[in-house]
Amino acid sequence: GAVVSQHPSWVICKSGTSVKIECRSLDFQATTMFWYRQFPKQSLMLMATSNEGSKATYEQGVEKDKFLINHASLTLSTLTVTSAHPEDSSFYICSAQRWTNRVDYEQYFGPGTRLTVT
Amino acid sequence: TQLLEQSPQFLSIQEGENLTVYCNSSSVFSSLQWYRQEPGEGPVLLVTVVTGGEVKKLKRLTFQFGDARKDSSLHITAAQPGDTGLYLCAGYRMNYGGSQGNLIFGKGTKLSVKP
Repeated sequence: GAVVSQHPSWVICKSGTSVKIECRSLDFQATTMFWYRQFPKQSLMLMATSNEGSKATYEQGVEKDKFLINHASLTLSTLTVTSAHPEDSSFYICSAQRWTNRVDYEQYFGPGTRLTVT
Repeated sequence: TQLLEQSPQFLSIQEGENLTVYCNSSSVFSSLQWYRQEPGEGPVLLVTVVTGGEVKKLKRLTFQFGDARKDSSLHITAAQPGDTGLYLCAGYRMNYGGSQGNLIFGKGTKLSVKP
């Protein structure tokens, strides 16, 4: 159990275009999902918290108009990188939070999406 | 401010050696999770520790949560090349007055085990 998928796994787009990344929890419902960004040889940087049925909460320094997040259902959150630029090239990873009896919440990560903006 | 200090950042050892990775903080966490990440993939949850002083074993991996729930360690016995990867600790911090929190990640330990 606790499988999270991401689509696409990699994408190349031209500067100025928009790219949508999907994150799905396949075998559990997730009221909360998270979007991270990871640069080479670095740890994960939390971008935003996606809550089902409400607006996302963005971390300081993350432009909400550039990184649009929609959590339309309990199993799907999407991240749209609008007007992408080369500096947006990165590895984007989502995670879905699952409630457990033992530890309140555990996070399970998707396999990531490699975005390259040319 | 880095809430979770992970050390060492890099570790290169020979197959069969033992190693310990540390994760320290001045903050208390309600739980702490360890992940392993391979290049180009998402982190995979290895274990979650909840109780102060808790010790959990996963084959050759031993995880310990500090008594005060501020620090944790990961010990690998007889490391193998398949253990190579980025090990991340992450503390779960509850939001004040709410039921949802978020994970605070350490910077990771890049482990390389040579045959």
